Amino acid sequence: AQSVTQPDIHITVSEGASLELRCNYSYGATPYLFWYVQSPGQGLQLLLKYFSGDTLVQGIKGFEAEFKRSQSSFNLRKPSVHWSDAAEYFCAVDRPGSARQLTFGSGTQLTVLP
Amino acid sequence: DGGITQSPKYLFRKEGQNVTLSCEQNLNHDAMYWYRQDPGQGLRLIYYSQIVNDFQKGDIAEGYSVSREKKESFPLTVTSAQKNPTAFYLCASSPLYLVDDRGDYGYTFGSGTRLTVV
Repeated sequence: AQSVTQPDIHITVSEGASLELRCNYSYGATPYLFWYVQSPGQGLQLLLKYFSGDTLVQGIKGFEAEFKRSQSSFNLRKPSVHWSDAAEYFCAVDRPGSARQLTFGSGTQLTVLP
Repeated sequence: DGGITQSPKYLFRKEGQNVTLSCEQNLNHDAMYWYRQDPGQGLRLIYYSQIVNDFQKGDIAEGYSVSREKKESFPLTVTSAQKNPTAFYLCASSPLYLVDDRGDYGYTFGSGTRLTVV
């Protein structure tokens, strides 16, 4: 069975600082990987995804993520955080094929200090 | 615009009562899903359906039931057997395969229903 681990429950950064949110996955083959962001009481917005090819993927809002097969990781980065980035971030892995099933990590809450 | 509509946004239920959460999509997606969200636990899959009149249990199906009589609709009933139903519930839909003929590949999420048992 697939699983996702986000080891950081809560991260606090200052506005303008760089950000890295960690994500490790467990899956027997190369999975499809996603990062989502959620504002309080809202649904999920897709930031970026990895299916295949270039292991550095660019997303919306200036985010990027790098797939590292050797480390089973898909960490999310942003060079300069804005106050509006404060939210909860979820890493997710999808099972390829017809039996799709998106499995989420437990999330990382990001606080941005002025 | 295509999307997923969940209603109501907030729902209050007395203990011992069943309650049904609505989820409607106009994206022509074959697959639909229900997730439960609790603080610090991420999203956990309750049920999913890949075709009309068929659905499968997810990781935490106990105390819940679903139906898929129409492609567009996937209502979730929280029964009185669910011991701790207070949570945020998210519905999602997707193409059956990762990329369909239109290049649509991802999951679309509704805005959620917050259920509180009083």
